[in-house]
Amino acid sequence: EDQVTQSPEALRLQEGESSSLNCSYTVSGLRGLFWYRQDPGKGPEFLFTLYSAGEEKEKERLKATLTKKESFLHITAPKPEDSATYLCAVRSGGSYIPTFGRGTSLIVHP
Amino acid sequence: DAGVTQSPTHLIKTRGQHVTLRCSPISGHKSVSWYQQVLGQGPQFIFQYYEKEERGRGNFPDRFSARQFPNYSSELNVNALLLGDSALYLCASSLNLDYGYTFGSGTRLTVV
Repeated sequence: EDQVTQSPEALRLQEGESSSLNCSYTVSGLRGLFWYRQDPGKGPEFLFTLYSAGEEKEKERLKATLTKKESFLHITAPKPEDSATYLCAVRSGGSYIPTFGRGTSLIVHP
Repeated sequence: DAGVTQSPTHLIKTRGQHVTLRCSPISGHKSVSWYQQVLGQGPQFIFQYYEKEERGRGNFPDRFSARQFPNYSSELNVNALLLGDSALYLCASSLNLDYGYTFGSGTRLTVV
């Protein structure tokens, strides 16, 4: 059974204070690791897909990296508008169905 | 292009009642999946459909059912509602089973 653990559960940062969110996973043959952003009461918004260890992707202040056991979402010089819940999901080789973690709630104070 | 459309956006039902939630995928997307998200938790998989056939079912009771229509839209039905069914129900569409998901804004269901 695929498992995804995200840490920390909640993170408070000052504007401009860089940090990283962690997604640890256990899966039989990774077929994709996904990062989503979710604003309160809204559906998740797709950010990145990573497929193999060593892969990195960037979008504005966000950078996602992947190893064989975990993924990091690095946030550089965050702004208040980056406040949201960030969800990680994995899809294994035996299934087309992503399994989600519980998310990290990020609050960036001005 | 329109994104994934879900209706209704909010719904209040009484215990024991039945509810139908609807989803229209992005044009050209043939796969629709349904997730339940309870406050403070990640989305939990309910069903996946591709080309009108069920391709996956999560660990939910038989009170939950779904179907996909020839135009690839989908319905999620829940019978005999319980208080614990209160949640945000998310629909996601993808081009096929191997592509990433695009989510709708969800239907907020409250059971009283």
